Parts: sequence; C-alpha cells; structure tokens
Amino acid sequence: GENVEQHPSTLSVQEGDSAVIKCTYSDSASNYFPWYKQELGKGPQLIIDIRSNVGEKKDQRIAVTLNKTAKHFSLHITETQPEDSAVYFCAASKAWGANNLFFGTGTRLTVIP
Amino acid sequence: NAGVTQTPKFRVLKTGQSMTLLCAQDMNHEYMYWYRQDPGMGLRLIHYSVGEGTTAKGEVPDGYNVSRLKKQNFLLGLESAAPSQTSVYFCASSSTRFPPTQYFGPGTRLLVL
Repeated sequence: GENVEQHPSTLSVQEGDSAVIKCTYSDSASNYFPWYKQELGKGPQLIIDIRSNVGEKKDQRIAVTLNKTAKHFSLHITETQPEDSAVYFCAASKAWGANNLFFGTGTRLTVIP
Repeated sequence: NAGVTQTPKFRVLKTGQSMTLLCAQDMNHEYMYWYRQDPGMGLRLIHYSVGEGTTAKGEVPDGYNVSRLKKQNFLLGLESAAPSQTSVYFCASSSTRFPPTQYFGPGTRLLVL
C-alpha cells in the first residue's frame, strides 16, 4: 500500500516568515495530493490540493509543489500569520474507486507573533 | 447545510463495553469513511463505504464494525471496547467527482478505561 512520510513533525516560525512542510510518497500510481489543516478540537479541512499532471499550484499565501520523479511534494506558506498555527497533514490518493487517502503523520506549525 | 456531523462528541467506556458512533452527512455524498487519529500517527482509515449497503475494510479494521443502511449515515461500532481503542474518531464523506475532496466531521473523543 501507499506510505506517506511527512517532515518536520513540529515547526516554529516568526510571524511574517515562510514555512515549508515536505512529504514523500511510495506509490507511483498516486495522482492526487491534498493538504489539510486541523485546528485544535476540529476536524481536518482541505486548504489546497494538486494533481499529478501539475507541478505547482498557488492560492494566495499558500502554494504546493510536486516532483513526480522524486515522489515528493511540499507545502509553502508565505507571510505567516498567528492564525496559520495548526496541525497540517499531507495525503496521497490514487483518486479512483473509493478515493482512499493515505495521510502523513502531521506537522504542528506554531507562528510566533 | 450542516456538512458532516458526528454523535457523540465525547464518551468514556469501560473495557468490554460496546458503543456506536454515528456519522451523518447532508451533501448527498456516495463515499463515507471512518478514521482514527492517534498522537504521532496521523489519520488511519478504519472502514469505508462507496455507497448505501456497502462497506469495506481500511488499514486498521480490527475490533470495529460498520454499517451504511442509509446513504446519509455511516455507523461505527465497537463490540467490546479495549484501551487500545482510546482515540479521536473522525468521519468524512466525499462525492464521486474529481477532485475527491473529503469533508470531515468535528470528531468523537473516546476514552476506554
């Protein structure tokens, strides 16, 4: 099955700095890579996703890059704000059938004001 | 439009007791999922369903049963709870369309003593 590894497990940045979270996956058939943000006491919420036929996608201060050859993808948050503090999960899916997602172990991001 | 709701929010069980967690979605989604979240391990898929009357095993199905008698509901049962089942349980749903975005409920925190 698919194995998704995520690093780092914790990340602290000063407000206004950038944050980068990296993930690798093992199954070359995976073709859909979402990122979820989980705030304390809540369920995960999708913040951005990327398909395997795209190398980069950007949405305001958030961007995701994908390197299919190396089987890794990254989340970039620029101009971080205190409200970005949360746990972030990457995931991978073959996006067919039941669309099962395989999640990384999460990164706890703390933005220091 | 409530999205995905879960009942109860919190429960304490004694070893050997049974209980059922209820998930309901009002988005007319075909697919539904049950995950457990443990510290340092991300989200792991317990069982899933691709439609009313169908269920399938995920990564960690042992000790759990599920039923999908109605399209909008997905029930997770613990027949004989064990301390190892202490966790936070999340339900999610998604449509059959691409991208396969999964929408998560707020979670159920379960403590087994």
